[in-house]
Amino acid sequence: GAVVSQHPSWVICKSGTSVKIECRSLDFQATTMFWYRQFPKQSLMLMATSNEGSKATYEQGVEKDKFLINHASLTLSTLTVTSAHPEDSSFYICSAMTSGGSEQFFGPGTRLTVL
Amino acid sequence: SQQGEEDPQALSIQEGENATMNCSYKTSINNLQWYRQNSGRGLVHLILIRSNEREKHSGRLRVTLDTSKKSSSLLITASRAADTASYFCATRKNAGNMLTFGGGTRLMVKP
Repeated sequence: GAVVSQHPSWVICKSGTSVKIECRSLDFQATTMFWYRQFPKQSLMLMATSNEGSKATYEQGVEKDKFLINHASLTLSTLTVTSAHPEDSSFYICSAMTSGGSEQFFGPGTRLTVL
Repeated sequence: SQQGEEDPQALSIQEGENATMNCSYKTSINNLQWYRQNSGRGLVHLILIRSNEREKHSGRLRVTLDTSKKSSSLLITASRAADTASYFCATRKNAGNMLTFGGGTRLMVKP
């Protein structure tokens, strides 16, 4: 149980385009989902926390207009990187947790490469 | 922002040896968790230790927590080549659900 999927697993896009990444909890309802970014050989940096049905809370330094997060249902959150640039190339990982839960379940990640 | 610092940043050992990784953090916590990440993959949860626990075991893994020193260690005994991965500690504060990750230790186990 407690499986989180991400789609796509990798994406290559041209500079200036927008890319949407999906994060799904497959066998549980996730009241809270988290989005992380990880650069090569570095740790995970939390970008934002999203609760179902409400606006996401962004970490300091993360542009909310550039990284659009939608958590429309208890099993799906999406991250849209708008007007992507090469510096946005990174590994994006989501995680999900249930209400009152203590463990986050992580997705397999999405590698974004912006040319 | 990153709270935890891990030590060492990289560790190379021979198969069969033990591997010890350390993690330090700055604020009070509810629990501390260790994760494993194979190159280019997602995170796998290894073990969770609560702030009122001092030691926990899971198979070949042994985790200690010293809240007075704000530090934790992960010991992998009898390492295998398949243990080669990056290991991260993550802390959860007393309030909220957010996890804060340490910098990670890249472990290489040579066959």
